Amino acid sequence: NAGVTQTPKFQVLKTGQSMTLQCAQDMNHEYMSWYRQDPGMGLRLIHYSVGAGITDQGEVPNGYNVSRSTTEDFPLRLLSAAPSQTSVYFCASKLAIGGEQFFGPGTRLTVL
Amino acid sequence: AQSVAQPEDQVNVAEGNPLTVKCTYSVSGNPYLFWYVQYPNRGLQFLLKYITGDNLVKGSYGFEAEFNKSQTSFHLKKPSALVSDSALYFCAVRDWGLMDSNYQLIWGAGTKLIIKP
Repeated sequence: NAGVTQTPKFQVLKTGQSMTLQCAQDMNHEYMSWYRQDPGMGLRLIHYSVGAGITDQGEVPNGYNVSRSTTEDFPLRLLSAAPSQTSVYFCASKLAIGGEQFFGPGTRLTVL
Repeated sequence: AQSVAQPEDQVNVAEGNPLTVKCTYSVSGNPYLFWYVQYPNRGLQFLLKYITGDNLVKGSYGFEAEFNKSQTSFHLKKPSALVSDSALYFCAVRDWGLMDSNYQLIWGAGTKLIIKP
């Protein structure tokens, strides 16, 4: 199993540009989520999904959209990039509510 | 409201010495508690969790954590530190009594552990 994969690993955007961060898992996990990691702030949940066709907002959803058309994929879209979105983004998946999360390697995004 | 605190930004330990990384939490009901480790330029990896049962939980890489309900703490420990243990450690909590579909964990800010040879 590849686990949780994310692409790209690095990305530089200009303010106002849009892009999609890709996330895929091959463990047949129902739960998937997107976090951003900023220094001294731990992880903050952006959006999450409890199954295909079901998504919901986390703690910091503004400026981001998600969709979950399949169990495997959970892309994160930045609609109009802003410097405040400069961060490291992690995708994670888990099998059940009390289970451990599996994290992807992260995408380091810089918005100029 | 749920919350978790890691009071130390950084912990420095000499190799071979015991280490402790502190975590305290606040939930209304009973907690799910987790520890994750993040090595440089990598994603987070699961170390251990407490849901119920024995207060001493053993996890990966020789780490263990003790759940203390009266002190609302879940400190991470290892008897003998290795240089390779140097990483960023995160504590996370969820109130398992919450009846909602949001399985969100509340994450601490992280503690940088530095093991010196």
